[in-house]
Amino acid sequence: AQKVTQAQTEISVVEKEDVTLDCVYETRDTTYYLFWYKQPPSGELVFLIRRNSFDEQNEISGRYSWNFQKSTSSFNFTITASQVVDSAVYFCALSPYGSARQLTFGSGTQLTVLP
Amino acid sequence: IAGITQAPTSQILAAGRRMTLRCTQDMRHNAMYWYRQDLGLGLRLIHYSNTAGTTGKGEVPDGYSVSRANTDDFPLTLASAVPSQTSVYFCASSDPPQEYGYTFGSGTRLTVV
Repeated sequence: AQKVTQAQTEISVVEKEDVTLDCVYETRDTTYYLFWYKQPPSGELVFLIRRNSFDEQNEISGRYSWNFQKSTSSFNFTITASQVVDSAVYFCALSPYGSARQLTFGSGTQLTVLP
Repeated sequence: IAGITQAPTSQILAAGRRMTLRCTQDMRHNAMYWYRQDLGLGLRLIHYSNTAGTTGKGEVPDGYSVSRANTDDFPLTLASAVPSQTSVYFCASSDPPQEYGYTFGSGTRLTVV
């Protein structure tokens, strides 16, 4: 069975602050994918990143960065110099590597960036 | 525009009524999924289909059924709606390679009264 835990239900920061969203996962699979999705107030789900379990290299994309640590089963997401437009619900998700590929989502973190 | 179309966008449904949520994709993805989103619970998988002609149960399948007669369509049916099925429903699709993750529809907000 797979499980994704996002312990932070809500986070509020002031614009330009850095913020880290935590994600801890459980799986018996040796290979798997990890994802982050953003859900802005409009409701659609926006894909942010996918990582393979065999690639622990951290990734940076503009103000976004992801820290994948297999040893602690964590896949944390950091937004640098946050902006009001970053306000959204962020979901971490896990899928097995193979034909099934169903996503297991965490419960989400509501991020509010105040001006 | 390539993607997933869900209909209706929103619906208010009387308890006990039958309802089908429609999902159509134009990307020729093999796999399709239905999720429901509830506050504090994230998205939970209802049913999935790895290829046309096959379906499987997800985490919360009770009260729902699906069919996959062709690659493009994956309707979700509530045979007899109950208030606990009030939720936002998302349809999604995927295909290897998963370089860009899963593609999600814009959702259907269903209220059962």
